[in-house]
Amino acid sequence: DVKVTQSSRYLVKRTGEKVFLECVQDMDHENMFWYRQDPGLGLRLIYFSYDVKMKEKGDIPEGYSVSREKKERFSLILESASTNQTSMYLCASFSGGPYNEQFFGPGTRLTVL
Amino acid sequence: DAKTTQPPSMDCAEGRAANLPCNHSTISGNEYVYWYRQIHSQGPQYIIHGLKNNETNEMASLIITEDRKSSTLILPHATLRDTAVYYCIVRVAGDNYGQNFVFGPGTRLSVLP
Repeated sequence: DVKVTQSSRYLVKRTGEKVFLECVQDMDHENMFWYRQDPGLGLRLIYFSYDVKMKEKGDIPEGYSVSREKKERFSLILESASTNQTSMYLCASFSGGPYNEQFFGPGTRLTVL
Repeated sequence: DAKTTQPPSMDCAEGRAANLPCNHSTISGNEYVYWYRQIHSQGPQYIIHGLKNNETNEMASLIITEDRKSSTLILPHATLRDTAVYYCIVRVAGDNYGQNFVFGPGTRLSVLP
């Protein structure tokens, strides 16, 4: 059974803290994604990575950075957390090609106080 | 820009078929229609996808109109566990990285006992 796991389901941090969200997939997929989900806005793409050490900005990269040192692991970093980054964060992976689908992790609900 | 439009919410009686519509009037010839669902507090789950032929799997059926401007996801015998937000997505076949899985607000389906 394919799996995408995220390091925490719930996280509470304070304004200004550095926050790391970790995502691991066991499907040997090249492509990994970070989205945030807010009520009424659907999922918005923050960053994606198509190979180790490669990354591309999505639609809302401001305030975030990412790291992909190993194929199976994709990290989202909030350098200095702010209250407007309180959200649900979803990680996904994808093998590529026109016929396949993205697989999602369970999500991390981050609250920044 | 949203490529799909869906009703914000629908109800369905348990045991009956749930028919979820999606309009994608600007779809191009090389764009696939994907359906995902998201049960509360979980990551989105793939359901089905198609290009122009109707598709069926163990979860659902996908009916795409001949002009491909709209589609309907059918859950043949809805159960309470099918209560979720359903997302209709169009994705270009040449999107090899998967960065064009664009999730809009979706349809909130409530299956009623």
